[in-house]
Amino acid sequence: EDQVTQSPEALRLQEGESSSLNCSYTVSGLRGLFWYRQDPGKGPEFLFTLYSAGEEKEKERLKATLTKKESFLHITAPKPEDSATYLCAVQVYGGATNKLIFGTGTLLAVQP
Amino acid sequence: KAGVTQTPRYLIKTRGQQVTLSCSPISGHRSVSWYQQTPGQGLQFLFEYFSETQRNKGNFPGRFSGRQFSNSRSEMNVSTLELGDSALYLCASSLEPTDTQYFGPGTRLTVL
Repeated sequence: EDQVTQSPEALRLQEGESSSLNCSYTVSGLRGLFWYRQDPGKGPEFLFTLYSAGEEKEKERLKATLTKKESFLHITAPKPEDSATYLCAVQVYGGATNKLIFGTGTLLAVQP
Repeated sequence: KAGVTQTPRYLIKTRGQQVTLSCSPISGHRSVSWYQQTPGQGLQFLFEYFSETQRNKGNFPGRFSGRQFSNSRSEMNVSTLELGDSALYLCASSLEPTDTQYFGPGTRLTVL
């Protein structure tokens, strides 16, 4: 069964304290791995798509990387406005379907 | 370009009633997917539409249904509401199936 696991469930950082969030996956065939950010009461906001092992993407203080079994979201010198839930999702092969399988997310709190 | 819009944003219903939620995708996007988000289960795939055809359906009872119109707008319907249907219902659109999905703000459904 296709599965996505995110860790830690919650993370509290001081402003400027860098860290990484983990997303491990077990899927039959990975088409793509997606990172989203979700603020309370809002829909997920797209951050990155990664397609193959070794791929890296960056945006401001965030950098996403992908291996054959997991992805990391590195947050460098975070600010309080980076506080949110970060969701990882995978899209698997199996017809031309767009179905995403989500992890349960990491709730990040950055304190000033 | 306007993002994905969902109406209504909030709904309160009682058990046994039915509800219809609406989603307007980003202009030019032809694929629409629906997800249910609850604190206990996270984001779970409901169904996916492309060119007015349901391409995939998640593991939800037949009380959950949907459709897509020729202008790509989509609706989902839940009949005979149960307390456990209380959730944030999210719509996501993409240019084509397998492309990156962009989410709307969601409809918060409360069943009393």
